[in-house]
Amino acid sequence: DTAVSQTPKYLVTQMGNDKSIKCEQNLGHDTMYWYKQDSKKFLKIMFSYNNKELIINETVPNRFSPKSPDKAHLNLHINSLELGDSAVYFCASRSLGGANVLTFGAGSRLTVL
Amino acid sequence: QQQVKQSPQSLIVQKGGIPIINCAYENTAFDYFPWYQQFPGKGPALLIAIRPDVSEKKEGRFTISFNKSAKQFSLHIMDSQPGDSATYFCAASNAGTASKLTFGTGTRLQVTL
Repeated sequence: DTAVSQTPKYLVTQMGNDKSIKCEQNLGHDTMYWYKQDSKKFLKIMFSYNNKELIINETVPNRFSPKSPDKAHLNLHINSLELGDSAVYFCASRSLGGANVLTFGAGSRLTVL
Repeated sequence: QQQVKQSPQSLIVQKGGIPIINCAYENTAFDYFPWYQQFPGKGPALLIAIRPDVSEKKEGRFTISFNKSAKQFSLHIMDSQPGDSATYFCAASNAGTASKLTFGTGTRLQVTL
């Protein structure tokens, strides 16, 4: 009964490839996020969707494209992967109207060779 | 621009000690200040949070002290245990649908026997 689940947990790929990470939450939350955690553990927000609508889009290269087919799912597609994309990507969700409490997934570690 | 500054970067204390982690923020519109705890291989999880209308909040062995005029807040862990060894992140956000959590840079805490 995992609240926020991400797949895959590990992803190793070559530069220039395209890859996707999937996220699903079963908490009934309205808002979902993608955060990137770099090698120094710094957590930086990338995108946020509220009920399938994009509401936050930080200065992320347009090689990154989020997609939310419904409010329980938020996927991240990355084109033309670069070495600097290597990081742990966390999906999170929160309930609208409540305190800004985020529930995070376990992360997807992306390694670009 | 780092809107939430956190220190120290790492901390080692003995079992029973009281580690203190400090954070400072710049945006006076922030009105919610949580602390997240992250264990290796896991996503961050909410530990404790405070709003600026109180100066202190305690939950079990964890206490947040908040100084609105100085724009600073800190986490104290009483009677620290080896199981508290983790990375701790302070964060801040303002209200609204499009609000986002801005994280500090993290403090790696190690509690030794």
